[in-house]
Amino acid sequence: DTAVSQTPKYLVTQMGNDKSIKCEQNLGHDTMYWYKQDSKKFLKIMFSYNNKELIINETVPNRFSPKSPDKAHLNLHINSLELGDSAVYFCASSQATWVYGYTFGSGTRLTVV
Amino acid sequence: QKEVEQDPGPLSVPEGAIVSLNCTYSNSAFQYFMWYRQYSRKGPELLMYTYSSGNKEDGRFTAQVDKSSKYISLFIRDSQPSDSATYLCAMIEQGAQKLVFGQGTRLTINP
Repeated sequence: DTAVSQTPKYLVTQMGNDKSIKCEQNLGHDTMYWYKQDSKKFLKIMFSYNNKELIINETVPNRFSPKSPDKAHLNLHINSLELGDSAVYFCASSQATWVYGYTFGSGTRLTVV
Repeated sequence: QKEVEQDPGPLSVPEGAIVSLNCTYSNSAFQYFMWYRQYSRKGPELLMYTYSSGNKEDGRFTAQVDKSSKYISLFIRDSQPSDSATYLCAMIEQGAQKLVFGQGTRLTINP
């Protein structure tokens, strides 16, 4: 069973479109994250939710909006996509009491053309 | 300047070699240190973790942290082709929930 699953795995879309990426975890973790990995493999946090509450919101354009309907799900909606949004987006989860226990999904490879 | 610096490589070594991967960091508040391994088209997986300064060994892998120098290392002994991956260092402050990563080093072990 996949612990952190993201859909879709690949997403190719045109500039200006709006798209969503979904994430679900079945580990019972209370915290979920979105990370962005650029073409140079640099992995940077975007958002973090703890029990559906936003706790980290890095300097991310407001075209990116996360939504957590419950603590097992964290979705990412992106409006007006730009070429520079092309990257791999990783969802992750952890339990706040165990800092080493981050589990990552397999990533969503977004290509904006 | 990035909070965590890591040489992106690529690094290519023959099978059986000892590999040394390193990161430096600027934030002295980092207390927890980790190494993640990322295979192509996959998410990062936790490989090793240490708290504060010291060494930790797990099979062929040894993680070292020197907080006085703000320097962490990962050593791989008897490297295998299956170790070929990108290795990312990561660290986090006490009480924080933001894991900060280095850029990752792409490692290839040649048979």
